[in-house]
Amino acid sequence: EAEVAQSPRYKITEKSQAVAFWCDPISGHATLYWYRQILGQGPELLVQFQDESVVDDSQLPKDRFSAERLKGVDSTLKIQPAELGDSAMYLCASSLPGTRGYNEQFFGPGTRLTVL
Amino acid sequence: GDSVTQMEGPVTLSEEAFLTINCTYTATGYPSLFWYVQYPGEGLQLLLKATKADDKGSNKGFEATYRKETTSFHLEKGSVQVSDSAVYFCALSSQGAQKLVFGQGTRLTINP
Repeated sequence: EAEVAQSPRYKITEKSQAVAFWCDPISGHATLYWYRQILGQGPELLVQFQDESVVDDSQLPKDRFSAERLKGVDSTLKIQPAELGDSAMYLCASSLPGTRGYNEQFFGPGTRLTVL
Repeated sequence: GDSVTQMEGPVTLSEEAFLTINCTYTATGYPSLFWYVQYPGEGLQLLLKATKADDKGSNKGFEATYRKETTSFHLEKGSVQVSDSAVYFCALSSQGAQKLVFGQGTRLTINP
């Protein structure tokens, strides 16, 4: 069964360092999402891609976060510099492009980031 | 903006008990509504969904009915099992949008 792949699964870093997370969506899924899930809260969308284009990055802290999906397939989310408040689970999801209505999002296992 | 409010947890029940997890939402128009489940060490999985008022979503013995008049989508199961222990998230997707807006999650523990 096709799955969304993410790496690394766990990352520990010190504040002010740079970190990067990678996501490989299900083949054929043109829409890719990055969510952040702070402990005890629900996931919150950071950025949404349609192919290689950003559709929604309104909640992405652009002073330190960046995301790219250069060839419209896999994606990288970067934080530079990391802050203590960035400690969270970073989830990637993918779906078929929405033409009418909602298309199910499939989630990867996530990357758990701890900033010391 | 759109929001989802879930019953606060954690919830602890005995096996075969009846389960209800409350969920209410705020959104313009006619959102689609979802319940996602997160088992320990795993990613989020779609449990069930409803896309219009009065629809009932169901899966694995769980049910939820889209109630527009009360803006609610409560999750129910008649007889829970130990394997149902997980974190449950209520979510919505606004009309015409793809992104999900999640509630804060409810941790469910079922004791044998």
